[in-house]
This record gives sequence, C-alpha cells and structure tokens, in this order.
Amino acid sequence: EPEVTQTPSHQVTQMGQEVILRCVPISNHLYFYWYRQILGQKVEFLVSFYNNEISEKSEIFDDQFSVERPDGSNFTLKIRSTKLEDSAMYFCASRPGTSGTPLAKNIQYFGAGTRLSVL
Amino acid sequence: GESVGLHLPTLSVQEGDNSIINCAYSNSASDYFIWYKQESGKGPQFIIDIRSNMDKRQGQRVTVLLNKTVKHLSLQITATQPGDSAVYFCAENIGGSARQLTFGSGTQLTVLP
Repeated sequence: EPEVTQTPSHQVTQMGQEVILRCVPISNHLYFYWYRQILGQKVEFLVSFYNNEISEKSEIFDDQFSVERPDGSNFTLKIRSTKLEDSAMYFCASRPGTSGTPLAKNIQYFGAGTRLSVL
Repeated sequence: GESVGLHLPTLSVQEGDNSIINCAYSNSASDYFIWYKQESGKGPQFIIDIRSNMDKRQGQRVTVLLNKTVKHLSLQITATQPGDSAVYFCAENIGGSARQLTFGSGTQLTVLP
C-alpha cells in the first residue's frame, strides 16, 4: 500500500543551525502538507503546497520556514535557524486532490514523522 | 523549564465492548471531518471521514456520527480490540482551498484485557 515516507526519523541539531526535513508523498497526490506536534499537544498545521507553490500557511510558518519540491518526488521543510521551541514531531501529509469520490480525494495521509530535537 | 501539555481525556474499555469517543468542533462552517488514530511514536492514521451533508457514515467496525446542531462528532468502535489502544483525534476542515486540517486535542483510548 502506498505511504508517505519521511526522513530522518530523528534529527538532533544545535540551536541556530539549519535543518531540512524530507518527505516523499504518495505518488500521484497533488496536495502536500507539513504539520507539527509539540510533545503532548495537538497536531498543528504549518503549510500546504500545491502546483509548486504555497497555497496556505499558518502563523507558525514564519520567515524561518520554507518548503520546496525540488523534483517530482521529494517535498522538504527547511528551518533556517532553529530555536529551542522548534523541537517537535514534524509530519508530512499528502492527499489526492482529484479522482475518486468527493470524500476520497480529501483524505490526508500522514507519514510517520521526524522528531526534531533542538539543543 | 517546566513543559506544559494538554491533559488528554481518557477512555478505558474492556476488550470486546463498544467504545464511543466524542469530539466538539469549533467552526460551524466546517464541511469536512476526519478521525485519525495515533499510536505512540507514529503518525496519524486515517480511520474514517464524513462530509457536513451527512449525519452518519459506517466503516469496518467504526461509525462516525455528526450532529451539526451542537457541533459534535462521535466515533464508535464496535467490539474494541487491544490493537485499538491509541490516541484518537478528530479534525475539521475549516476552509481554504488547501483544505488544511484543524485537529482537536485527542482522546486516549485504553483497551483492558
């Protein structure tokens, strides 16, 4: 069964360093997302990406964050200068956007996440 | 410093019993709702979804009920099994072309042997 894959599973970095979190969405999906989950808290939306551009972003997604789809398969989240409060699980998700039933095209499928630890 | 997190509602059920997990959503304009299951150390796993023009939808051992009048969702799990133990989140699509999800705070379901 197709799945969203994320690497690495755990990233440890020093405060102020840049990190890139990587995701391979499900093939043929058109919409891509990043969410984060601080330990013990809700899953929070960061950004959505469609047709090679950001379609929506939250207040959390400030100038320190950027996303990119460098090729036909990868979708990355970059944090330029990490802060202690960036420590969280980061989830990538994708959804079909077209084809299938009206419900099926809206289902977002999540990866297993990358645990980011900023020291 | 001290970390502050949400205190998750918890639900404990005996194996074989039915479970009902409740969720209140925030926006009356939301038109799509989805339940996810999250096991420790894993990403949210899709369970079932429903559109706002529906009151009920059934899947395999799960049923979602939507009450738009009181902005309430419930997830019913039939014959709960040990593998159902997890945190369950409801999420709503508040709007926007990207259909990003807004998650609730989750319920910890524990299945007792």
